[in-house]
Amino acid sequence: GENVEQHPSTLSVQEGDSAVIKCTYSDSASNYFPWYKQELGKGPQLIIDIRSNVGEKKDQRIAVTLNKTAKHFSLHITETQPEDSAVYFCAASSSGYSTLTFGKGTMLLVSP
Amino acid sequence: KAGVTQTPRYLIKTRGQQVTLSCSPISGHRSVSWYQQTPGQGLQFLFEYFSETQRNKGNFPGRFSGRQFSNSRSEMNVSTLELGDSALYLCASMRTVGVDNEQFFGPGTRLTVL
Repeated sequence: GENVEQHPSTLSVQEGDSAVIKCTYSDSASNYFPWYKQELGKGPQLIIDIRSNVGEKKDQRIAVTLNKTAKHFSLHITETQPEDSAVYFCAASSSGYSTLTFGKGTMLLVSP
Repeated sequence: KAGVTQTPRYLIKTRGQQVTLSCSPISGHRSVSWYQQTPGQGLQFLFEYFSETQRNKGNFPGRFSGRQFSNSRSEMNVSTLELGDSALYLCASMRTVGVDNEQFFGPGTRLTVL
C-alpha cells in the first residue's frame, strides 16, 4: 500500500520567515495530495490540495509543489504568523479522494 | 453552514466493552470517512461510506465496523475494546464539486480505554 514520509517532525521559525514541509510518497498511482492543519483540540482542516496533473498551486501565503517523477510534494508558507502555529499533515490518495494515507505530521512553531 | 458533528466528544470505557460513535456530515455531503488518530501511528484510515455502502476499508481488525444511514449520518462500532483502541476517532465528510473537493473533518471523539 501507499506510504507517506513527512519531514521535518518539528519546525521552529521566526514570524515573517518562510516555512517548508516536505513529503514523499511510494505509490506512483497516487493522484491527489491534500495538506491539513490541525490545531489543539480540533480536527484537521484542509488548507490546500493539488492533483497529479498540476505542478504548483498557490493560495495567498500558502503554496504546494508536486514532483511526480521524484514522488515528492512540499508545502510552502510565506510570511509566517503566530497563528500559523499548528501541526501540519500531508496526505496522498490513490483509490478515491476519501481514502487518504497521511504523513506523521510536522509541528510548526512560529515565534513572535 | 453547520460543520461535521461528532458525538460524544469524550468517552471512557473499560477493556472488553463495546462502543458506538456517531457522525453527522455536512448537509449535502454523501461520503463519510472514519480515521483513527494516535500519537504513535498518526492518522489511519478506517473505512469510507457512500450512499449507505462501504466503499473502502482500511487495515483494521473486524472488531471495527461501521454503517451509514439514508440521511448520510454514520456510526462506527468497536467491539471487545482493547487498551490500544484509545485514540481520537475522526469523521470526515466530502462532496466533489466539479474538480474541487470539499472535505471537512469533525472535532473527533476522544476514546479512552481503561
